[in-house]
Parts: sequence; structure tokens; C-alpha cells
Amino acid sequence: TQLLEQSPQFLSIQEGENLTVYCNSSSVFSSLQWYRQEPGEGPVLLVTVVTGGEVKKLKRLTFQFGDARKDSSLHITAAQPGDTGLYLCAGVTGTYKYIFGTGTRLKVLA
Amino acid sequence: NAGVTQTPKFQVLKTGQSMTLQCAQDMNHNSMYWYRQDPGMGLRLIYYSASEGTTDKGEVPNGYNVSRLNKREFSLRLESAAPSQTSVYFCASSPYGLYGYTFGSGTRLTVV
Repeated sequence: TQLLEQSPQFLSIQEGENLTVYCNSSSVFSSLQWYRQEPGEGPVLLVTVVTGGEVKKLKRLTFQFGDARKDSSLHITAAQPGDTGLYLCAGVTGTYKYIFGTGTRLKVLA
Repeated sequence: NAGVTQTPKFQVLKTGQSMTLQCAQDMNHNSMYWYRQDPGMGLRLIYYSASEGTTDKGEVPNGYNVSRLNKREFSLRLESAAPSQTSVYFCASSPYGLYGYTFGSGTRLTVV
């Protein structure tokens, strides 16, 4: 069974702080996606990274795909309460084969 | 608003009862999926439909059946509910298999 481990599992920070969330696996992925999920809702796609070493920025969020395409990170600069939620990574191993991580639950305190 | 619509949002079943979860998308997507989300387990694929007329098993298909009624609709049926099927169920769609998903808002199912 392929695993996709996310760390940390929980993170509680003050508004304005920076943070990094990690997504690690021993498997190689053809691409990797990040989602954010709010309570009572489904996950919402934030970004897809495809190339090893790729870096994508989405306002204050920076996503990086590892050179070997086995890991990824999400960095948030100057976190805001609106960033609160469950962050999920999903590794793509085949056309219809996605492996989801167990998530990082982020709470940003005002 | 365009997207994926799931019904019902909440359901309580007794062990052995059956029910069908409905899902419809209005984005003209080819592929549709059913996932379950459990604490500490992440999202796990139950069944998927790559295109209209096809369905395939995912990681955890036992106890479930699906129907791709047309391009828009993909239903999930529990024939004889068990407490282990207590979970939050999400339907998702994508243009094709490698594109990211659009998820519905989920059905919270409790089997007692």
C-alpha cells in the first residue's frame, strides 16, 4: 500500500506567522496536488505540480515539488485566519490513481 | 453555481438498511468518483467512472455498488449498511483522470 505522510498533523499559529507543511512518500508521483478543505465542505484544489523541482506561487502560498517527485511542501507567508483549514496533498500515480495524505489541520489565530 | 451536487447531506441508517447517495455535476466532466473520508485514514477511493458507461473499483469497494446513470450523474448504493460504513462520503468529478478534482460538499452517513 502506498502511503503519503503529511506533517505536522496539527498546527496552531498566530496571525502573521509563517509555516511550512510537508508531504512525503517513498513512491514517485507523476504529479502532485494540494487541496484545502473547510469544515462541512469538500476539498478545493489549490495547485497541481508536475515537474521535479517545480515551484508555484499562489499569493502568499508557495508550493514546491521535490526533485525526485516523491515529496512536496507548502509554505504560507504571513498566515491569516482565512487560511484555517485542512490541507491535503494527493499524489498521482496513474490516470485514475490518486493517493491522498491524511492532512494537516491548520488553525490561524487572530 | 456550477459544481458537484450531492444529496442527502446527512443520513442515519440502521444496520442492514439500504440507501443510495446521489451525485450530479454540471461541468460536462467525463470522469466521476466516490470517496470516503475517515479520521486518520485520509480520502479513499471507493469507485470511479472514467467516462459515461464505465465503472471501476477503487481501493475500498466492498459493500458498495455504483451506477453511472448518464454523463452528469453517478450514484453510490449501500445494499446492506454496516457500522463500518459510517463515514463522510464525497463525490468528485474531473475533465479527465489526470486533472484535479472538483468535490461536492459531502454526505455525512451514520450507521447505527
